[in-house]
Amino acid sequence: DVKVTQSSRYLVKRTGEKVFLECVQDMDHENMFWYRQDPGLGLRLIYFSYDVKMKEKGDIPEGYSVSREKKERFSLILESASTNQTSMYLCASSSITDRGAFFGQGTRLTVV
Amino acid sequence: AQSVTQLGSHVSVSEGALVLLRCNYSSSVPPYLFWYVQYPNQGLQLLLKYTSAATLVKGINGFEAEFKKSETSFHLTKPSAHMSDAAEYFCAVRDYGGSQGNLIFGKGTKLSVKP
Repeated sequence: DVKVTQSSRYLVKRTGEKVFLECVQDMDHENMFWYRQDPGLGLRLIYFSYDVKMKEKGDIPEGYSVSREKKERFSLILESASTNQTSMYLCASSSITDRGAFFGQGTRLTVV
Repeated sequence: AQSVTQLGSHVSVSEGALVLLRCNYSSSVPPYLFWYVQYPNQGLQLLLKYTSAATLVKGINGFEAEFKKSETSFHLTKPSAHMSDAAEYFCAVRDYGGSQGNLIFGKGTKLSVKP
């Protein structure tokens, strides 16, 4: 069974903290993605990676960075958390042959 | 550029009634289309996908969708709603732009099922 695992389901962080969200997939997928989901806005792409150490900006990269040192792991970093980054964060992965994506359970981040 | 529009942010049906969730897409190339379901505080689960084979696609949990090129639509249906179908549903199209394999999502339709 395919699996995308996000390290935390719920996180509460303070404004200005550096926050790490971790995502691991066990399907040997080339592509990995980070989305944020907000009510009424749907899913918006933050960053994606198509190979180890490769990354590309999505639609809303400001305030975020990513790291992909190993094929199975894709980390999202909030350099200095702000209250407007309170959201649900979803990680996904896909292969270059499959047309769909598999999602993790999501991390609900609250910045206070 | 590809885009997806879901008509209706909320849909309410009675248990046993037909479910119809609407999705229209915009794409300059033959699209790959998807429907995902999200239960509260969960990630997204793939319901079904269209990849240019049969135009009527059957998915999990009794859902199906029909690709209609002339109408640029990919509506999701289920003949008889069950209480467990209450969730949010997202239609998506594969992005042929710079992001390999990325999906462009609609804003979602929340389905309520009344007893």
